[in-house]
Amino acid sequence: AAGVIQSPRHLIKEKRETATLKCYPIPRHDTVYWYQQGPGQDPQFLISFYEKMQSDKGSIPDRFSAQQFSDYHSELNMSSLELGDSALYFCASSLGRQGAGELFFGEGSRLTVL
Amino acid sequence: AQTVTQSQPEMSVQEAETVTLSCTYDTSESDYYLFWYKQPPSRQMILVIRQEAYKQQNATENRFSVNFQKAAKSFSLKISDSQLGDAAMYFCAYRSRFTGNQFYFGTGTSLTVIP
Repeated sequence: AAGVIQSPRHLIKEKRETATLKCYPIPRHDTVYWYQQGPGQDPQFLISFYEKMQSDKGSIPDRFSAQQFSDYHSELNMSSLELGDSALYFCASSLGRQGAGELFFGEGSRLTVL
Repeated sequence: AQTVTQSQPEMSVQEAETVTLSCTYDTSESDYYLFWYKQPPSRQMILVIRQEAYKQQNATENRFSVNFQKAAKSFSLKISDSQLGDAAMYFCAYRSRFTGNQFYFGTGTSLTVIP
């Protein structure tokens, strides 16, 4: 069965550079979530989209933006990168906005900021 | 906002033995979902088991079962016949059924399985 696809899997950037992460949800899933997980930490919710509209916003910095496209894939854009942005970024998808149960996670994109 | 608490940062269990991971949560809602996710060293989060709050029966998935105590807001995970492949971080998570789609994760419990 198809899973959540994230790209790139690994990314190395310099401070103040820009990075873009992509997420392709499971087919027919209409809701996408982005999480940030620092070393040894639990995942922190950044933002979510339902039917291409932002549905919830968590601890996403103003330097970050995201959107969901017509094919339901989502992109997380990160600008003016800081060392503290180094983390594993998870995308997850689900079917339906509410009451749909579990999230299905991708394998994550590991961002290293030097 | 809802909070999820895992009070055991680390746990260990002998292979083939049973271990219980604790989770408590705080909510004013009456209907919600609870989950246990496993994050092995490969880092992908994998769903282990889910519980719907309106169901009184404890969920079971093979060697994994939960003890759901709604009044106490407790949701522990029991792993029976522990295997080396069970070694991972385990996250307890909460999701409201009606008031939004955020997942709230606990801080995780690192499980070591001793051969």
